[in-house]
Amino acid sequence: QLQLQESGPGLIKPSETLSLTCTVSGDFISNPDVYWAWLRQPPGQGLEWIGTIYFRGNTFYNPSLKSRVTISADTSKNHFSLTLSAVTAADTSIYYCARHHMGGGTSWYLGWFDPWGQGIRVTVSS
Amino acid sequence: DIVMTQSPDSLALSLGERATINCKSSQSVFYSSNNKNYLSWYQQKPGQPPRLLIYWASTRESGVPDRFSGSGSGTDFTLTISSLQAEDVAVYYCQQYSTTPLTFGGGTKVEIK
Repeated sequence: QLQLQESGPGLIKPSETLSLTCTVSGDFISNPDVYWAWLRQPPGQGLEWIGTIYFRGNTFYNPSLKSRVTISADTSKNHFSLTLSAVTAADTSIYYCARHHMGGGTSWYLGWFDPWGQGIRVTVSS
Repeated sequence: DIVMTQSPDSLALSLGERATINCKSSQSVFYSSNNKNYLSWYQQKPGQPPRLLIYWASTRESGVPDRFSGSGSGTDFTLTISSLQAEDVAVYYCQQYSTTPLTFGGGTKVEIK
């Protein structure tokens, strides 16, 4: 059964760089049929897609965060990571990783997210 | 960006009643090339991550009770809970995957009256 687990700091200071890791069990991030994603949810608010990675290194980012975000994958550790630079209080959120369903062929698409990790709460505060 | 607008923001119904949640996209998420609507629905219970309920607007994910159904096409979609159960108390979100950035609706909170 596929499981994802986020890890990283729960508290980070403004202007610092946030680094989170998603460890995958029950599948390999090198699975050619799967993409992997990061999303976030500010306290009491809705969901925001941050970005997605394919194990070969192809990445897709939300333009609203693209200048500050890097997503990378380490197939040897079977995990993928998120770095978010120059954080502010607005980056305070629960951060989730998820398997990102994709479709191939002539109708290639990035689709839905399933399953999700339990999430990690990150607070940006001095 | 495609803006997803859900209504109502919240609803409170009695057990066994039908719940209807609406989701409207700012542009069509239907592709005539494959006759599919690029729209999914999620359920998020308090303190839990979202759970996928429906994709392709109307395809129920494995293990999802059949009281949950999705309908609609183009820009207007509906999630229906045919007979509300206590365990259905949650916030429900729609998501479009027609174009990037992938975007979600603001959520609809479902409570028991």
